[in-house]
Amino acid sequence: GIQVEQSPPDLILQEGANSTLRCNFSDSVNNLQWFHQNPWGQLINLFYIPSGTKQNGRLSATTVATERYSLLYISSSQTTDSGVYFCAVERNSGNTPLVFGKGTRLSVIA
Amino acid sequence: GAGVSQSPSNKVTEKGKDVELRCDPISGHTALYWYRQSLGQGLEFLIYFQGNSAPDKSGLPSDRFSAERTGGSVSTLTIQRTQQEDSAVYLCASSLVGQGTQYFGPGTRLLVL
Repeated sequence: GIQVEQSPPDLILQEGANSTLRCNFSDSVNNLQWFHQNPWGQLINLFYIPSGTKQNGRLSATTVATERYSLLYISSSQTTDSGVYFCAVERNSGNTPLVFGKGTRLSVIA
Repeated sequence: GAGVSQSPSNKVTEKGKDVELRCDPISGHTALYWYRQSLGQGLEFLIYFQGNSAPDKSGLPSDRFSAERTGGSVSTLTIQRTQQEDSAVYLCASSLVGQGTQYFGPGTRLLVL
């Protein structure tokens, strides 16, 4: 099946710093989503981004489908950004299950 | 409701007992998914519904696990004769037909003693 690899696995940032999280996937995908799992375990949708670039406030994401990777940028990080960031891909067209990476655990310290 | 809801939030049970977990998808979403997140593990797919039928049950770990969906809405995941390795957070997600974005509920934290 499709493989999804995220890097780095862990990241510690000083508040105000910027960071880039990477997601590599092994096959063509129809859908790619970035999630933030907060300390209470809730998965929060950040981006639906099978290709191209999107921005939402301090967060932005870019997916280069032809090269099978996606990047999540966090600028001016805040302590509330802490948690685990997951990349997930959908292999086929239509509504099919997501395959998740193992996540990047981000800790933002004041 | 505005989002996906799941109940109970937490469940503690004894080994060998049966448990039922419930998911209420976003109104109008015909696709519904169950995933499991074990401690220190990523999220793994369990089963997917389109309407009331389950075209993909490939993620169910054993025949102790089953799920149903009625009325194209609420879904129940049942685990029979629970084992300690079933302890995990069970997450439900839903999406619109033809749109890929999946929206997740808050999960049910299951602990099997």
